Amino acid sequence: AQKITQTQPGMFVQEKEAVTLDCTYDTSDPSYGLFWYKQPSSGEMIFLIYQGSYDQQNATEGRYSLNFQKARKSANLVISASQLGDSAMYFCAMRPRGNFNKFYFGSGTKLNVKP
Amino acid sequence: DVKVTQSSRYLVKRTGEKVFLECVQDMDHENMFWYRQDPGLGLRLIYFSYDVKMKEKGDIPEGYSVSREKKERFSLILESASTNQTSMYLCASSLPSRQGSSNQPQHFGDGTRLSIL
Repeated sequence: AQKITQTQPGMFVQEKEAVTLDCTYDTSDPSYGLFWYKQPSSGEMIFLIYQGSYDQQNATEGRYSLNFQKARKSANLVISASQLGDSAMYFCAMRPRGNFNKFYFGSGTKLNVKP
Repeated sequence: DVKVTQSSRYLVKRTGEKVFLECVQDMDHENMFWYRQDPGLGLRLIYFSYDVKMKEKGDIPEGYSVSREKKERFSLILESASTNQTSMYLCASSLPSRQGSSNQPQHFGDGTRLSIL
C-alpha cells in the first residue's frame, strides 16, 4: 500500500527561525519521487521541491531543503529563515514509478509564522 | 510556465443539479487529475486520465464522472449534486514518468470552492 503521513496538523515558528515539517511514507515500489507543495490561504498549490529515491544528496531549493532518510522512509521539509509569507498549508506527496503515475498526498501541516 | 486553469473559483449549486467543473492545461500534458480537498483529509483523488478518452477511478469516484475529449481539457461532472459534495476541488496535470523517472511534479489550478445547498 502507498501512504504518506504528516503527523503535525499545525505548527508555529518565529520569524527568521528554521522549521522542520515531518513526512513519512510507505511504498513497496523501489523507485519513487517525493514532493512538497505549499498552499497559501488563496488555495493554489505551489510546487516547492523534489527528491528522487535514488538521489544521493538531499535536495535544496533556496530556503527549502529536504532531509531525506531513505532507511527511515522519511522526507522532512526544512525551511530556513522563516518569513511571514511562509504561513500556509504544506503537503508532502509521493509518486511511485508504477501505478499509472498517481500521486499520494499527506493530510498536510498548517504552518504559522509569528512576527 | 505551466498554466492550469479551472473555470470557476467559487460555485454555488443546488442539491440534485448536474454540475460541471472544467479544467484546461496549456502544456500538452498527458496526465490530468481531479482531487477534492477537505480539512484534515488532505487531497483525495477522484479520477485521473492518462490520455484522451482514457480515465481511471481514484479513491473516491462515487457520485462523480469525468470526460476527456481533448488532451488539454478534463471535466469533472457531479451527476446529481449532494450536500456532502461541498468541498474544494483541485485539478492538476503532469507529464508521465519517463524512463523510470518519477520526477515530474503535478501542476495545479487555483481550485474551485463548490457549495451545494
